Amino acid sequence: QVQLVQSGAEVKKPGASVKVSCKASGYTFTSYDINWVRQATGQGLEWMGWMNPNSGNTGYAQKFQGRVTMTRNTSISTAYMELSSLRSEDTAVYYCARGSYYYGSGSYYKGSDYWGQGTLVTVSS
Amino acid sequence: DIQMTQSPSTLSASVGDRVTITCRASQSISSWLAWYQQKPGKAPKLLIYKASSLESGVPSRFSGSGSGTEFTLTISSLQPDDFATYYCQQYNSYRFGGGTKVEIK
Repeated sequence: QVQLVQSGAEVKKPGASVKVSCKASGYTFTSYDINWVRQATGQGLEWMGWMNPNSGNTGYAQKFQGRVTMTRNTSISTAYMELSSLRSEDTAVYYCARGSYYYGSGSYYKGSDYWGQGTLVTVSS
Repeated sequence: DIQMTQSPSTLSASVGDRVTITCRASQSISSWLAWYQQKPGKAPKLLIYKASSLESGVPSRFSGSGSGTEFTLTISSLQPDDFATYYCQQYNSYRFGGGTKVEIK
């Protein structure tokens, strides 16, 4: 069965960086994008960006440009999201989710059908 | 950047009620819209994709409609398991709506 398993909770100081991992299983890792979405306590969902595990191509929400980096290690079917220059407003649960499906020369996004369990990142001095 | 506006932000309803949630896009997104359900402490769950297609395993009491800039999610007969927060998401820039909390009346 499809699973996305994320790394554990993190506590970071302002100005530091955090790197969250997302290990995929049960499907071909390079056939689907990985999206990253975050949610501050009591707030809505905020899309951060996507990464194509096959090509390594990425697309980031404007808000996070320059601060976020999405990478992958295809040998272990794992995606990573690194957020730098952390501030208190970055305290949130970070989710990875499966995104666009690639077939032949095309792609198809029907929404994120599988999600990780979420990783709480707390930024506090 | 396309903005998504959901209404209402909170909805009080009883078991058995018909419930409708609206999502409006700031410009046309054709049918490129998904709906999710989220319960406290859990990841979102995909309900509807491409505005009106029911995700596998989702009960048929959930339905989606609309195209262009106005979309609706309808729960035909609200069940106890449906009390949750619902989000729309457009496929252009992947932005989510602000969410609608469905609570017990």
